[in-house]
Amino acid sequence: QSVLTQPPSASGTPGQRVTISCSGSSSNIGSNYVYWHQQLPGTAPKLLIYRNNQRPSGVPDRFSGSKSGTSASLAISGLRSEDEADYYCAAWDDSLSGQVFGGGTKLTVL
Amino acid sequence: EVQLVESGGGLAKPGESLRLSCAASGFTFSGAWMTWVRQAPGKGLEWVGRIKRRIDGETTDYAAPVKGRFIISRDDSKNTLYLQMISLKTDDTAVYYCATEGDWGQGTLVTVSS
Repeated sequence: QSVLTQPPSASGTPGQRVTISCSGSSSNIGSNYVYWHQQLPGTAPKLLIYRNNQRPSGVPDRFSGSKSGTSASLAISGLRSEDEADYYCAAWDDSLSGQVFGGGTKLTVL
Repeated sequence: EVQLVESGGGLAKPGESLRLSCAASGFTFSGAWMTWVRQAPGKGLEWVGRIKRRIDGETTDYAAPVKGRFIISRDDSKNTLYLQMISLKTDDTAVYYCATEGDWGQGTLVTVSS
């Protein structure tokens, strides 16, 4: 059971907009930055969004992050087949004194 | 270009020890907080622990499942991060990644099996 809660799966068709939610608590998302990582099949994770809504250089602006209270969301617009991957949210948890991850959301592009 | 290259993975028996290394380049290693994350086969990401930079005390934090068995250290003169794992359990079987706030290594597989 992960501390951060994500839907196990999401799907969309090419060109669509998809959002992935991440629910936490006051000790993690509510008081710390949220990060999103993308893991393509068979590869290492890659940072997609840092500090709630910042994109590293090289990440397309089709990807955006937001946070409100104890929840966060990752939005992907103009969905492409190459976006098919697992997506993980993460945040520091002050109560656990450790970083916590969501269980991951498997995105399928139909 | 940031590069993080893990090594030292392999097969170990329960109760044995292993030491992983992560060679860093392309950024100021001594100025970075470093993290280990693992991923069991077919499972999600699990934070293992972190080490702060020297000016922040080089203090460490660990996840509950590894506390007391794993030790994270760093050698800034060699731009290298370490993960010493003792009293290994079968549940420790995973790909181990080192990471900074913005980058990940490619991972090294640790298999614990009798």
